[in-house]
Amino acid sequence: DIQMTQSPSSLSASVGDRVTITCRASQSIDTYLNWFQQRPGKAPKLLIYAASSLQSGVPSRFSGSGSGTDFILTIGSLQPEDFATYYCQQSYTTPFTFGQGTKLEI
Amino acid sequence: QVQLVESGGGVVQPGNSLTLSCAASGFTFSSHPMHWVRQAPGKGLEWVAILWYDGGNKYYADSVKGRFTVSRDNSKNTLFLQMNSLRAEDTAVYFCARDARTGSTWSAVFDYWGQGTLVTVSS
Repeated sequence: DIQMTQSPSSLSASVGDRVTITCRASQSIDTYLNWFQQRPGKAPKLLIYAASSLQSGVPSRFSGSGSGTDFILTIGSLQPEDFATYYCQQSYTTPFTFGQGTKLEI
Repeated sequence: QVQLVESGGGVVQPGNSLTLSCAASGFTFSSHPMHWVRQAPGKGLEWVAILWYDGGNKYYADSVKGRFTVSRDNSKNTLFLQMNSLRAEDTAVYFCARDARTGSTWSAVFDYWGQGTLVTVSS
């Protein structure tokens, strides 16, 4: 199985900050990498697919980059509603594994 | 608008069975592969299974292979997950999710999710 490792596991930031979350795959997955946001008690929401494509309706302050094994999610200027947990997920092959999550806190 | 609504969760004893349903609306259900993803309390996300748009192919996580069966009824726009020989470690919120791609391939990009249904395996 492909292991996905996110860092950091948790992150404290303030409104207006720029933050980055890193995701590393245990083998090359080209750009088959997606990012999700999950608020407490809610379903995950797709933010970025194919490493850098912004899902429709997602604010442009979210961006993704990377290929191969190393990927980054960047939030350009944090808004109050962005405090949540973020997951990366590889869609290269089954089983479609997720990172352990990064909790973004105030 | 796309809607996915799971049902069928509850409390079940270890070794017993349970079947979850996911009712879809707002899109052409029969065109999309569908997935089940679960999340144990306070834990991360775990992909469980994928089912082809026509039910022709399916894959499972090793943790559920041989115990869980995914199926669909395209005439009723409904996805199912039959869970047998349940274990305490199967306790989780189960989400159904739509694959963004249509047709005879998958993308494993989960573009729409249901709200989830909680399954608790406990004696």
